[in-house]
Amino acid sequence: QVQLQESGPGLVKPSQTLSLTCTVSGGSISSGGYYWSWIRQHPGKGLEWIGYIYYSGSTYYNPSLKSRVTISVDTSKNQFSLKLSSVTAADTAVYYCARDKSHCSSTSCYTLWAFDIWGQGTMVTVSS
Amino acid sequence: DIQMTQSPSTLSASVGDRVTITCRASQSISSWLAWYQQKPGKAPKLLIYKASSLESGVPSRFSGSGSGTEFTLTISSLQPDDFATYYCQQYNSLFTFGPGTKVDIK
Repeated sequence: QVQLQESGPGLVKPSQTLSLTCTVSGGSISSGGYYWSWIRQHPGKGLEWIGYIYYSGSTYYNPSLKSRVTISVDTSKNQFSLKLSSVTAADTAVYYCARDKSHCSSTSCYTLWAFDIWGQGTMVTVSS
Repeated sequence: DIQMTQSPSTLSASVGDRVTITCRASQSISSWLAWYQQKPGKAPKLLIYKASSLESGVPSRFSGSGSGTEFTLTISSLQPDDFATYYCQQYNSLFTFGPGTKVDIK
């Protein structure tokens, strides 16, 4: 079955760019029909959706982070990535990658706007 | 933006209890509401999608209901493995999560 694994630096300096990668195994990003998201959780707090990329490459970001976020996909490596620029201590969080739950037939998929597959999460601390 | 609230924020219960958690949206979200269970140090686990559809592999003691702005997650008979934090999540052009309900041991 499909599994997701986040990777990237655990410590980022203020004002720098946070870069994380999610590697997809057990399935192909380019097979289509799914939205691939980044979600974060501040320590001891709730969950915040950052944005998604569709298999076609189209993206949609949380307006609260939009000016600093870029999500991209590398189908050759079966990975998608997050870049968050100009980070501050407020960006310290556990970052998860996730895939939406979709119902797929032989010809098409439609999303059910929930996240059924998650990575284990990676803690990123912003500190000098 | 659509805001989500959950009540209660903390719930103390015993094994075997029937537990109900409420999630409210600041405006109608039709049935685009999901519920997750999260344990410390772990990623959230999808329990319910589209307000009332049970995710594959999730025990039938979990159920969801509601539409529009008010939704509930019910655990019919609380089991030891169910002590965790529960989040609702809506979709209406973007995703937002509720603040969570921690279910702990009474």
